Amino acid sequence: ILNVEQSPQSLHVQEGDSTNFTCSFPSSNFYALHWYRWETAKSPEALFVMTLNGDEKKKGRISATLNTKEGYSYLYIKGSQPEDSATYLCARTGTASKLTFGTGTRLQVTL
Amino acid sequence: EPEVTQTPSHQVTQMGQEVILRCVPISNHLYFYWYRQILGQKVEFLVSFYNNEISEKSEIFDDQFSVERPDGSNFTLKIRSTKLEDSAMYFCASSEQGRSNEQYFGPGTRLTVT
Repeated sequence: ILNVEQSPQSLHVQEGDSTNFTCSFPSSNFYALHWYRWETAKSPEALFVMTLNGDEKKKGRISATLNTKEGYSYLYIKGSQPEDSATYLCARTGTASKLTFGTGTRLQVTL
Repeated sequence: EPEVTQTPSHQVTQMGQEVILRCVPISNHLYFYWYRQILGQKVEFLVSFYNNEISEKSEIFDDQFSVERPDGSNFTLKIRSTKLEDSAMYFCASSEQGRSNEQYFGPGTRLTVT
């Protein structure tokens, strides 16, 4: 894997559904994996920063896991709510502090 | 809660004109960044700034671009002679430390070059 890739590109779920997205990234020279939540016309909001293989982080109904050896991270949302509708971005840092972003997963949660 | 602010929210300019995009990072942060997103594309890194100098820049950040921290609070991005392809959303970000820290983003400036 040469770039940071995210799947799916978009997702439409019903309120109460649980869902997950994937972020794939180059595992060489890896330092940290960042997840952001981005609502239209607002600042991207930092959700998690993970560095260690096997890391799991949780914030309310949202959690994330990290596999640095195979180069992927999952973001899970349990019991989706309409306010979870946003674009979820993952980004990788390597030897430098710059973020290299994926294309994002656009989530829409309907009643 | 401290936040990164950016002005203006939207800037329209003619090709060849100079623009300055302004950012006020979070006050105790030491690392500053500019990113941009061209419509339909990924958010891409432009430049990072630490200790009053550029620490890294991308291929995009050519001689037409410059950054400055003119005082203790502002962080600016200048584009000397704008091109149509510079039209994008420009984001400023800051962090307390380097690569292991969260970067806090501003709401962005939408630059439209006509």
